[in-house]
Amino acid sequence: EVQLVESGGGLVKPGGSLRLSCAASGFTFSSYTMGWVRQAPGRGLEWVSSISGGSSYIYYADSVKGRFTISRDNAKNSLYLQMNSLRAEDTAMYFCARESQIPGAATADYWGQGTLVTVSS
Amino acid sequence: DIQMTQSPSSLSASVGDRVTITCRASQSISNSLNWFQQKPGTAPKLLIYTASNLQSGVPSRFSGSGSGTDFTLTISSLQPEDFATYYCQQSYRTPRTFGQGTKLEIK
Repeated sequence: EVQLVESGGGLVKPGGSLRLSCAASGFTFSSYTMGWVRQAPGRGLEWVSSISGGSSYIYYADSVKGRFTISRDNAKNSLYLQMNSLRAEDTAMYFCARESQIPGAATADYWGQGTLVTVSS
Repeated sequence: DIQMTQSPSSLSASVGDRVTITCRASQSISNSLNWFQQKPGTAPKLLIYTASNLQSGVPSRFSGSGSGTDFTLTISSLQPEDFATYYCQQSYRTPRTFGQGTKLEIK
């Protein structure tokens, strides 16, 4: 069974940093592109970042480029999101997601339960 | 960035109704359109990928159609568990943008 479990969320002051983790199980982690999607309270979904299986391809939303860094450790079946220079508008539930391998369907077929990041003084 | 616009933003319907939600892309995205369902306090769930393909385990009352810029999600006969928020997402190009969501409520 595919499982994605996020951790690392919490309350942080503006300008602070936080590192999110996602522990994956139930599939060959290194074969899949993984990503982060966030959802501000009461708002819609926003794709944040993706990383290919071998870390060769990395993409960021403009809203986080230069402040967030996505990475992965295939030996540990883990995905990470290092978030620096956090702003109030980064407050959201952050979901870890696996990207489907179906040809032409580069979308999230499995999601974690999310970890909440709150940026407030 | 490719903008995704859903309509309506909210919808009231009754159990048994046929419901259609539309999604329009700001440029052609071929069939790279996916639909998600999200219930309060839970993660989104993939329903349909590449415009018309049903994800494994999703009931057949859900269907999708369209290509290019215009897409639809149809629920043929609403069930109580279908009341949720629905999002479209394009996977044609990064950033993989979502529509703003359609909240489906019980009439």
